[in-house]
Amino acid sequence: DAKTTQPNSMESNEEEPVHLPCNHSTISGTDYIHWYRQLPSQGPEYVIHGLTSNVNNRMASLAIAEDRKSSTLILHRATLRDAAVYYCILRDTGTASKLTFGTGTRLQVTL
Amino acid sequence: DAGVIQSPRHEVTEMGQEVTLRCKPISGHNSLFWYRQTMMRGLELLIYFNNNVPIDDSGMPEDRFSAKMPNASFSTLKIQPSEPRDSAVYFCASSLRTGGSTDTQYFGPGTRLTVL
Repeated sequence: DAKTTQPNSMESNEEEPVHLPCNHSTISGTDYIHWYRQLPSQGPEYVIHGLTSNVNNRMASLAIAEDRKSSTLILHRATLRDAAVYYCILRDTGTASKLTFGTGTRLQVTL
Repeated sequence: DAGVIQSPRHEVTEMGQEVTLRCKPISGHNSLFWYRQTMMRGLELLIYFNNNVPIDDSGMPEDRFSAKMPNASFSTLKIQPSEPRDSAVYFCASSLRTGGSTDTQYFGPGTRLTVL
């Protein structure tokens, strides 16, 4: 499976935008980029996914580099409830059902 | 929708005892996954089922672990005998498999297992 690299931790002030980076230089053409997050003492939850184009949903935006070797999850206005570990995961058609979690980025949000 | 339901939420047992974790997936979902999370190894997939059939159990640590899915609405993960190194949070997740790389997995709240 192609690997992803994320910073171990990031900090943000409440109500400011947060850009969470993910490097995936060995991504293949059929790999989708997925983001999940895990709030404290909860199971992971889906955030967003994309293939080539930037994506927006009610939770976040996903910006994908033109060469697809990196992507950025954007939280437009971080709140205290967004404090979580964010996982960037690649999924290909061969192992489509599997989610392979890395170490993720722990986001701290402060007042 | 009640989401994925797991029981018990917490389990404390002694080494050597049998432990059974239970999961009820979201109604209508046809894929079910068992994950384990520890500080040392993070989140790792143990086994997953499609239409009640085990597809990939390569993540199951050893023969002490077994998982079953007797019907579409129930699955168990059993550890017999349990060991202290099995202490972890065990998550169950379900999804509606459409055959692509975009299926969203929905996770339960987890079972925190402590083996003394």
